[in-house]
Amino acid sequence: GENVEQHPSTLSVQEGDSAVIKCTYSDSASNYFPWYKQELGKRPQLIIDIRSNVGEKKDQRIAVTLNKTAKHFSLHITETQPEDSAVYFCAATFLSGGSYIPTFGRGTSLIVHP
Amino acid sequence: GAVVSQHPSRVICKSGTSVKIECRSLDFQATTMFWYRQFPKQSLMLMATSNEGSKATYEQGVEKDKFLINHASLTLSTLTVTSAHPEDSSFYICSASGLAGGPSGELFFGEGSRLTVL
Repeated sequence: GENVEQHPSTLSVQEGDSAVIKCTYSDSASNYFPWYKQELGKRPQLIIDIRSNVGEKKDQRIAVTLNKTAKHFSLHITETQPEDSAVYFCAATFLSGGSYIPTFGRGTSLIVHP
Repeated sequence: GAVVSQHPSRVICKSGTSVKIECRSLDFQATTMFWYRQFPKQSLMLMATSNEGSKATYEQGVEKDKFLINHASLTLSTLTVTSAHPEDSSFYICSASGLAGGPSGELFFGEGSRLTVL
């Protein structure tokens, strides 16, 4: 099955700095890679995603890059703000038995200090 | 985006009782629903995958007789924790994928249910 590794587990930055979270996956059949932000006690919210036919995608302060050859993808947050503090999960999604199955990374706790 | 509603958001029960958690897709047909368990400051642990009208596929180590999953319609899946014990206390989250997400497998999460077993 798919295996997703996510690093770092904790990331502490000063407001205004950039933050980068990296994930690797094992199954070359995975073709959809979403990133979720989860605040304490709340549901994960999709913040950005990328498909395997695209190398980079950007949405304001958030960007995601994908290297299919190396099987890794990264989340980049620029000009971080305290409200960016949350746990971020990456996922690699592949088709299995007619259903798309996501495998999540272990999460990164991002702390942005004012 | 699509909406997934999960109830109850919080439930406290006595040890030995059963608790049912509902997950509904409000504006799309969820062909596949996933149930996760999440411990504090940890990742989403997949418990089972259910497809409408068929038996759920449980992950290794998850007791199917303890965590009963029913996906009787394209808009509703339920998780029943039977004979709950304090170690079952956790945050349970459902997610759904289906027509609203297209073939990409985009997921939509419920609000989560905090179960506390006394």
